[in-house]
Amino acid sequence: GAGVSQSPSNKVTEKGKDVELRCDPISGHTALYWYRQSLGQGLEFLIYFQGNSAPDKSGLPSDRFSAERTGGSVSTLTIQRTQQEDSAVYLCASSVDINQPQHFGDGTRLSIL
Amino acid sequence: AQSVTQPDIHITVSEGASLELRCNYSYGATPYLFWYVQSPGQGLQLLLKYFSGDTLVQGIKGFEAEFKRSQSSFNLRKPSVHWSDAAEYFCAVGRMDSSYKLIFGSGTRLLVRP
Repeated sequence: GAGVSQSPSNKVTEKGKDVELRCDPISGHTALYWYRQSLGQGLEFLIYFQGNSAPDKSGLPSDRFSAERTGGSVSTLTIQRTQQEDSAVYLCASSVDINQPQHFGDGTRLSIL
Repeated sequence: AQSVTQPDIHITVSEGASLELRCNYSYGATPYLFWYVQSPGQGLQLLLKYFSGDTLVQGIKGFEAEFKRSQSSFNLRKPSVHWSDAAEYFCAVGRMDSSYKLIFGSGTRLLVRP
């Protein structure tokens, strides 16, 4: 069966531009999570969705970051006015429900020039 | 606040040798514990998990881990390492009241000598 799919796999953009990262979870998984993996900070939790709602946005690093999930499936993470410190790998995961193991996609490597 | 420590940044073992990767956590109650593996350019693959019950858990690819409450540890072991095991390994903790928010250790990179 298909795993968690993320697109694009790589994104290079100029500082100040907006970017959208997409995550397509495993079919039937109600919970979806975004993490950021960077050299200096390791793996950090950003946000999670239960269905279409996001009960915990506490990990989003600034108000330039937002995420939405529609139809209980695909999620988009948007970063506005990108900065160089946003360069990282953004990982998406999904699980059947919270309290169940999270399954990760291959990530989007974001590079801000 | 909860935290996870993986004290070894790099470990090198010979193919066929045994392996133990260390993980210590800080959390007041019994946590959910996980080990993930990441190959270059790829996401994280779940190796095994501990939620409750038997403190010795078996995972995929011949890995096992033991939860020791008294030592706040969840070390990963494998009796005989294969060259394909070379990767980065992450230990993670989830709280029972917010298990969705995994806290990851900084990772241990495993190198395998032929």
